[in-house]
Amino acid sequence: EAAVTQSPRNKVAVTGGKVTLSCNQTNNHNNMYWYRQDTGHGLRLIHYSYGAGSTEKGDIPDGYKASRPSQENFSLILELATPSQTSVYFCASGGTENTGQLYFGEGSKLTVL
Amino acid sequence: AQKVTQTQTSISVVEKTTVTMDCVYETRDSSYFLFWYKQTASGEIVFLIRQDSYKKENATVGHYSLNFQKPKSSIGLIITATQIEDSAVYFCAMRPDTNAYKVIFGKGTHLHVLP
Repeated sequence: EAAVTQSPRNKVAVTGGKVTLSCNQTNNHNNMYWYRQDTGHGLRLIHYSYGAGSTEKGDIPDGYKASRPSQENFSLILELATPSQTSVYFCASGGTENTGQLYFGEGSKLTVL
Repeated sequence: AQKVTQTQTSISVVEKTTVTMDCVYETRDSSYFLFWYKQTASGEIVFLIRQDSYKKENATVGHYSLNFQKPKSSIGLIITATQIEDSAVYFCAMRPDTNAYKVIFGKGTHLHVLP
């Protein structure tokens, strides 16, 4: 069974602070993704990666950085958090056969005060 | 532009009936994959069913099936004999061929199954 785990599951940050959301997958998938979910917007792609050392911008990358130090780990970094980044963030992984089927983590709820 | 549109924000149905959720997509690719995912009340997002664009047969998994109308760029999700536990948010998604790493989601449809 696919396994994608995120940490922290809940985070309260202050405006201007640095936030790092971490994601680990044990599926040996090449592709990993970060999405945010907001009411009325569905799932929007922030960054993705097709292998260790790679990061690519998604549809809404502004204010976010990503890091893929290994096959298993993919982090989302908010260097200067803002209240508009309050959201639920989902990490996902997908295989190289890449029909596009994704396996999602449990989500991380971030509140920026 | 590549885009996925779900116009139904919310649908309510009575248990044991059939429901169809609509989804239209935009892509210039001749080959692509289409998906439906389910998000439960706990927030968990799980894959339900997939349609490959080059296949004419509609995909079916359990009580989920798809109505794939390629000329209309439409991929509807049909749930037959709905159950209370089908209440969830359903997302339509597309993976185009020109960017095989990018998966695009619609905004979701909230299904309420009533007793």
